[in-house]
Amino acid sequence: EVQLVESGGGLVQPGRSLRLSCAASGFSFDDYAMHWVRQAPGKGLEWVSGISWSSGSIAYADSVKGRFTISRDNAKNFLYLHMSSLRPEDTALYHCTKDIKHSSSYAFHHWGQGTLVTVSS
Amino acid sequence: QSALTQPASVSGSPGQSITISCTGTSSDVGGYNYVSWYQQHPGKAPKLIISDVRNRPSGVSNRFSGSKSGNTASLTISGLQAEDEADYYCSSYTSGSTPCVFGPGTKVTVL
Repeated sequence: EVQLVESGGGLVQPGRSLRLSCAASGFSFDDYAMHWVRQAPGKGLEWVSGISWSSGSIAYADSVKGRFTISRDNAKNFLYLHMSSLRPEDTALYHCTKDIKHSSSYAFHHWGQGTLVTVSS
Repeated sequence: QSALTQPASVSGSPGQSITISCTGTSSDVGGYNYVSWYQQHPGKAPKLIISDVRNRPSGVSNRFSGSKSGNTASLTISGLQAEDEADYYCSSYTSGSTPCVFGPGTKVTVL
């Protein structure tokens, strides 16, 4: 059974940094692209960032480009999102998602339950 | 503001069929076959129900079907059931600087 478990969320002041982690199990982690998708409270879904199986291809939404960095450790089966210069509009539930393919097809087949990030002073 | 357009709500009676549209441009929906649909029940993580315009992942009911014509993709739910009441989101690959966009979501109500 595929499991994606996020951690690292919390309350953080504007301008500060936070690192999210996603522990993956139940599948060959290094065979699939991975993504972060967020959902602000009461709002819709927003794709944040994606990384191919080999880390050779990485992409970001314009809203986070230059502030967020995605990475993965295939030896440990972990996906990360380092977030810096956080803004109140980054407040959301952040989901770790598994792509349906090796490279990014942007079809998010499995989802974690999410970790809540709240940016507020 | 989403780059894709969806109706805010769609409703139907049990057993009926409903269709949700997802309209974009030639830079996203119309230009690529990378349209996906997700079902989200309150308080739950989204679930992929259609990928690549019309492919159903294993385990997804065949009551869900996807299609595309020009810049508009569609999700049809046939034989509507109470458990289908949820929010539905479309997404598409785009050639813009943000490679993936979601629609604003459609709330499906089973009357």
